Formats: sequence, C-alpha cells, structure tokens
Amino acid sequence: AQSVTQPDIHITVSEGASLELRCNYSYGATPYLFWYVQSPGQGLQLLLKYFSGDTLVQGIKGFEAEFKRSQSSFNLRKPSVHWSDAAEYFCAVGPILTGGGNKLTFGTGTQLKVEL
Amino acid sequence: GAGVSQSPRYKVTKRGQDVALRCDPISGHVSLYWYRQALGQGPEFLTYFNYEAQQDKSGLPNDRFSAERPEGSISTLTIQRTEQRDSAMYRCASSLEQGVEQYFGPGTRLTVT
Repeated sequence: AQSVTQPDIHITVSEGASLELRCNYSYGATPYLFWYVQSPGQGLQLLLKYFSGDTLVQGIKGFEAEFKRSQSSFNLRKPSVHWSDAAEYFCAVGPILTGGGNKLTFGTGTQLKVEL
Repeated sequence: GAGVSQSPRYKVTKRGQDVALRCDPISGHVSLYWYRQALGQGPEFLTYFNYEAQQDKSGLPNDRFSAERPEGSISTLTIQRTEQRDSAMYRCASSLEQGVEQYFGPGTRLTVT
C-alpha cells in the first residue's frame, strides 16, 4: 500500500529565509507526486507535480521540488519565503487507476509559520 | 472560470440525523472525488466517480456513507445516522478525464453534536 510521511508537523522560518519541507513516500512503482497548499478557509491548491522526466520540478509561487528515487523523497523548497506563504502544506502520492483517475494518498501535513 | 463549489460550507447536526453534502465540479470535469479530512490530518480518499459511474468506493468507512452522481455532474455525499466521529472536513475534487491534476473545493465542515 502506498503511504506518505511528512516528518515535520510544524516549521517556523523567518521571512526571506530559505525553506525545505520534507516528504518521503512508499510506493511499489514510479509514483505520481504532488504538493498542495491549504490556506485557512481555502481549498487545497496544487503547487506542483512530478510524473516523469526531469527530477527537479518548478511550481507556482516560486516553489520547486526534487524527486530522489534513491531516497524515496520529494522535498519542497523555496529560496526566499514570504509572509504570505504561511499555510499548511501537504505532500501526496497517487497511481493512475484503471480507467483513469488518480486516487491520492496524503501525508499529515506541515504547518508553516513565517516570522516577520 | 468557476472552481469546484461545495455546499453547505458549514453544517452542524445532531447525532442520529442524516446529512447531505453537495459538490459541483468544474464544468467539463468528468472525474469527481470525495475525501475526508480530520483535524490535524491529511485528506483521506472516500470515493471516486467517472461520469455517473462510481468507480471506487473503497474508502467509505461503513454503510452509513453513500455517494451518488446521477447525471455525471453534481454529486451528493450522504451520511445516515450521523455519529460524533463523523465530524470532519469533507472535500470534493474534480479532474478532467484521465487527468491526474485534481482541483479541490473549499470543503464542508461537518460538526456532529
């Protein structure tokens, strides 16, 4: 069965500092990997995704993530955090179901706090 | 264009009552997913539709939970005889056919008292 681990429940960084959120997955084949962000009162917004090819993927809002097969990791990074990045971040893994679709398995999330 | 919408946004109900949660997907999205998110957890898959066909309901926790999508557009998740443990955020997502990008709605916060 697939699973996702986000080892950091809470992270606090200063505005302008760099950020790395960790994600490890367990999956029997090449996974489809996602990072979502959830702001208060908002739905989950897709930041970026990895399907195949280049292991460094760029997303919205200046985020990027690197797929490392050897470490079963898909860590999210941002060079300089803005106060508006404070939110909860979820890593997810999913296969392609027979007939299409994508049943996602999410991690427990990392709550990011940004200090001004 | 309009995103995924869900109603109601908040629902408070007494234990034992039935509730119906509605999801209106993005126009043209044929796949629709329901997830449940407990406090402090990530969303957990409940069920999935492709057009009007329920393709996978393996995540529904018990037979009090059911979902339908009779015309391949709007979906309703129904919980019968609600229990306090059903309190959670219920999220709906939609995607294009064969699509892997899911677009989530704002969720319905259900509180069972």
